[in-house]
Amino acid sequence: EVQLVESGGGLVQPGGSLRLSCTASGFTFSTYNMNWVRQAPGKGLEWVSYISGGSSGSPIIYYADSVKGRFTISRDNAKNSLFLQMNSLRAEDTAVYYCARDRQLSYWGQGTLVTVSS
Amino acid sequence: DVVMTQSPLSLPVTLGQPASFSCRSSQGLVYSDGITYLNWFQQRPGQSPRRLIYKVSNRDSGVPDRFSGSGSGTNFTLKISRVEAEDVGFYYCMQGTHWPLTFGGGTKVEIK
Repeated sequence: EVQLVESGGGLVQPGGSLRLSCTASGFTFSTYNMNWVRQAPGKGLEWVSYISGGSSGSPIIYYADSVKGRFTISRDNAKNSLFLQMNSLRAEDTAVYYCARDRQLSYWGQGTLVTVSS
Repeated sequence: DVVMTQSPLSLPVTLGQPASFSCRSSQGLVYSDGITYLNWFQQRPGQSPRRLIYKVSNRDSGVPDRFSGSGSGTNFTLKISRVEAEDVGFYYCMQGTHWPLTFGGGTKVEIK
C-alpha cells in the first residue's frame, strides 16, 4: 500500500524558516517524481514544487512563481524521503502542505499545517 | 500559465440523481506524447484530496464506476451517474501537461 506521511509543520513568524518532510512507503520511491501541493485555509489547491525521480544525473526541479527563490525541494532516496525547505515565510504561505506522488498526483499524504503569524 | 475554470461553483444534488461538472482549460492539454493529462480529484470534508480520474477518462483503482470522465481539447466533464451521500465534498480538475501544474477552483457538491 502506498503511504505518504508529512511532518514538520507548525507555527512560525513571518520571515522565519521551516523544513517539511514526507516519508514514503509501499513503492520504489527513488524512481518516482514527487511534488508538494498546498491548500490555504478554506481555499483551493495550489501546486508548489516538483522534483524528478530516477537515477541519472541531477533531478529536474520546478517551482511555482509564488515560492521561487524562497523554497527548496530535495529528496533523499536512501531514506525514502522528500523535503521542502521554506525560507522567508509570509502570511500567505499559511496552508496545509501535501506531498503527492508523480506528475499526475496519483497519491497524496494527509498533509501538515504551516501557520505563518506573529 | 494554463488557467483551469470549473463550473458550477456549487452543485446541490438529490441522492440517487446524476450530477455533472465542467472544467475548461485556457489552452489545449495534449502533451508531446499525444496524451491528454487531465485529472479529477475528490476532497471529502476534512480529508486529503484523492485522485478519481486520470488522463481524462481512466478511473483510479477503487473508484466506483458511477464516476466517469470525458472530454477533449479544452472542455472536460466529470459525471456521477447516481449521487450517494459519500460523494459530498469538493471536486477539482487539474492539468498535468504544462508547467506549472494548475488546478481549477473546485466545485462543491452538497445534498439538497
